[in-house]
Amino acid sequence: DAGVIQSPRHEVTEMGQEVTLRCKPISGHNSLFWYRQTMMRGLELLIYFNNNVPIDDSGMPEDRFSAKMPNASFSTLKIQPSEPRDSAVYFCASSGQGSYNQPQHFGDGTRLSIL
Amino acid sequence: QQQVKQSPQSLIVQKGGISIINCAYENTAFDYFPWYQQFPGKGPALLIAIRPDVSEKKEGRFTISFNKSAKQFSLHIMDSQPGDSATYFCAASMLNTNAGKSTFGDGTTLTVKP
Repeated sequence: DAGVIQSPRHEVTEMGQEVTLRCKPISGHNSLFWYRQTMMRGLELLIYFNNNVPIDDSGMPEDRFSAKMPNASFSTLKIQPSEPRDSAVYFCASSGQGSYNQPQHFGDGTRLSIL
Repeated sequence: QQQVKQSPQSLIVQKGGISIINCAYENTAFDYFPWYQQFPGKGPALLIAIRPDVSEKKEGRFTISFNKSAKQFSLHIMDSQPGDSATYFCAASMLNTNAGKSTFGDGTTLTVKP
């Protein structure tokens, strides 16, 4: 079984550039979560989707951040324009359906560095 | 109401010792309590989980103890090994609401010395 697949694994870009992170959830899962992890703030939930619909985006730090889930097998997190303080590891996770089948399955993350 | 407080922030244990990590929650509607293990360069992965209808769950060297009245749960790692060195997160969620959203603790970095 393929797990959650994130790309790219590493991204280094200059301040002001647009960054797009990608996620392919586990087939059959209907909830998708985007997290950001830093030493200072730990694991923060940015936004989550259920059946491709955004449910709660209150964790998105600023309007520079946006996320989409055009279909059940793909989601993107975009930062435009990027800033050095956006540097972090971004994780995507998915979880199953039914009784909201726990647990969450995480990808290996995208390590983002904004210079 | 949505917080999960985890302690300690870091823990150093000798090989063969017992590692204990504690979590406390506020929202009594939580009904699923997983623990995740994260190695460097990897995403968190489920280690063990418990529902509040039992007070303890054991899987190999890993045990969750759950105290519903105190709103606390803890992870015990028996016979700790250097390979257990990782960051551990507790979490809490409501199984049939919020689309599976979990509230995570801040994490505990465990180092097991050989």
